[in-house]
Amino acid sequence: NAGVTQTPKFRVLKTGQSMTLLCAQDMNHEYMYWYRQDPGMGLRLIHYSVGEGTTAKGEVPDGYNVSRLKKQNFLLGLESAAPSQTSVYFCASSYEGSGNQPQHFGDGTRLSIL
Amino acid sequence: GEDVEQSLFLSVREGDSSVINCTYTDSSSTYLYWYKQEPGAGLQLLTYIFSNMDMKQDQRLTVLLNKKDKHLSLRIADTQTGDSAIYFCAEDLGNTGKLIFGQGTTLQVKP
Repeated sequence: NAGVTQTPKFRVLKTGQSMTLLCAQDMNHEYMYWYRQDPGMGLRLIHYSVGEGTTAKGEVPDGYNVSRLKKQNFLLGLESAAPSQTSVYFCASSYEGSGNQPQHFGDGTRLSIL
Repeated sequence: GEDVEQSLFLSVREGDSSVINCTYTDSSSTYLYWYKQEPGAGLQLLTYIFSNMDMKQDQRLTVLLNKKDKHLSLRIADTQTGDSAIYFCAEDLGNTGKLIFGQGTTLQVKP
């Protein structure tokens, strides 16, 4: 009964380093999303995917790339980390894009860029 | 653009009712949601309401929707210390799957 699993849970990077955050879901959901959460700003959508092999930009896509090579996995990459990317990152998934199929969230990845 | 606004903080006493308010701007939203976030955890869906409804009740939770004023509220009856968390309001953008979240309201429940 895993739901949405994010790895790693915590990470500290130096400016300029790269890393990949992994999101895995076992609910056979078509749609997957990456958000960032910053104090006082709620969640903002970075990128999302409406199915295997597809990706699309969200509200704040700059500095991030994503890939959805397998239906169950959605990867978020930071090619050259910047201190402004210090945040908590959440992955979510939903069966489809209609509103009566709500998004299910992982527990987050806390990322600090020094 | 689309925007969702919430007050940032609410403090109540255990046993009282809590009312968390939200306003949104996108009149084409089909569904509106309430999520709960406990410390160190992800967002948990509490309830959602279809835009052609004006009220939905689910045990201690009552959602009221005023579509004319674009105002959504969440009432928690008999608030318990376990209800202390951040509550997020969100609206969907049609069938895109995309959600716009408010900033979150921190609910503090005092014993």
